[in-house]
Amino acid sequence: AQSVTQLDSQVPVFEEAPVELRCNYSSSVSVYLFWYVQYPNQGLQLLLKYLSGSTLVKGINGFEAEFNKSQTSFHLRKPSVHISDTAEYFCAVGKANSGGSNYKLTFGKGTLLTVNP
Amino acid sequence: KAGVTQTPRYLIKTRGQQVTLSCSPISGHRSVSWYQQTPGQGLQFLFEYFSETQRNKGNFPGRFSGRQFSNSRSEMNVSTLELGDSALYLCASSLKNGAVSYEQYFGPGTRLTVT
Repeated sequence: AQSVTQLDSQVPVFEEAPVELRCNYSSSVSVYLFWYVQYPNQGLQLLLKYLSGSTLVKGINGFEAEFNKSQTSFHLRKPSVHISDTAEYFCAVGKANSGGSNYKLTFGKGTLLTVNP
Repeated sequence: KAGVTQTPRYLIKTRGQQVTLSCSPISGHRSVSWYQQTPGQGLQFLFEYFSETQRNKGNFPGRFSGRQFSNSRSEMNVSTLELGDSALYLCASSLKNGAVSYEQYFGPGTRLTVT
């Protein structure tokens, strides 16, 4: 079974500073990788995804992530954060069986990003 | 296109009662998954439905059940509520129309409080 580790439960940064939220996963087979963001009292919004192809993926709100197969990592980055980026961020790994009839997303515990003025 | 909708948004129940939560997926999406989110356990997968059939199930007791209707709307039911069932219940839909669709789109959730 796959597992997802988000290495930091909380990341405080100042506005306009760069940020990296770390995510490592464990799986011996091909997986699909996602970052979701959750604002207070809301559901999860898809930020970006890696399904195949280029290992650098760009998402919404200026976020990007890099898939590193050898290190089994999928870290999320933003070069300059805003106050409005304050939210909880979840890394998720999706795995399907060969027929595609069984697919499951496994989430990390989340990283609370707090952007201070 | 309207997003995933969940009703009700907030619910307060007492121990021993049962509850039914509803989820309407994005139009055209045929797969619906349910998750429980708590501060201690994070996001945990409950089950997935596709074409009115449960395709996948997480590690939850039998008190948690669900179903999907022909229009892809889904309900989940929790019987004999316990205090530990207090959580945000999230529903997610995906396309899964013949081919596997890996992206899931989430609703705003139902906040269940058990007293």
